[in-house]
Amino acid sequence: AQSVTQLGSHVSVSEGALVLLRCNYSSSVPPYLFWYVQYPNQGLQLLLKYTSAATLVKGINGFEAEFKKSETSFHLTKPSAHMSDAAEYFCAVSGVGNNDMRFGAGTRLTVKP
Amino acid sequence: DADVTQTPRNRITKTGKRIMLECSQTKGHDRMYWYRQDPGLGLRLIYYSFDVKDINKGEISDGYSVSRQAQAKFSLSLESAIPNQTALYFCATSRDSQTFSYNEQFFGPGTRLTVL
Repeated sequence: AQSVTQLGSHVSVSEGALVLLRCNYSSSVPPYLFWYVQYPNQGLQLLLKYTSAATLVKGINGFEAEFKKSETSFHLTKPSAHMSDAAEYFCAVSGVGNNDMRFGAGTRLTVKP
Repeated sequence: DADVTQTPRNRITKTGKRIMLECSQTKGHDRMYWYRQDPGLGLRLIYYSFDVKDINKGEISDGYSVSRQAQAKFSLSLESAIPNQTALYFCATSRDSQTFSYNEQFFGPGTRLTVL
């Protein structure tokens, strides 16, 4: 079984500041890890995914995440926040077969001008 | 064109009513999923289907039923709606993971359901 914990239900940063959204996972099998973004009144859109290749994964809109097995973490970062980054972000984990993808509770990112 | 569509987008109903949420996809994916989203809880899986003849319960299936009418269509029913089923419901699709070792899921725009 897999599970995900997102630390911080709400993160607020200034425009141009570093964005760091934290995700820790638990998995009994080698995990596949995902970050999704949800803009207001929209469905979830994939930002990036880790599938056991490179541990540093680059996604869309300047986001990246690093898989750290020793820390069971997959934190999402962006060097410089933009107003358009304001959204809710979900970390998710699955194992081989992907019939049991588990989502974290989500982190709402606010970007201040 | 939307690849995963959901109807209706918003619905208000009364306790005890039967309601159906519909999902259609043009991605050609075999696998389809229904989730509900509640504030602070993220997304929780209700049902999933690997093909037309394969339906499986998810984490929170009680009070819900589903129908996979075709590869492209997957419906979620609430036989007798209750207020704690008020939530945002998402349909998602993915490829067959026996062919592909991993699968991202593609989400519809969601249906906001309110049960009074």
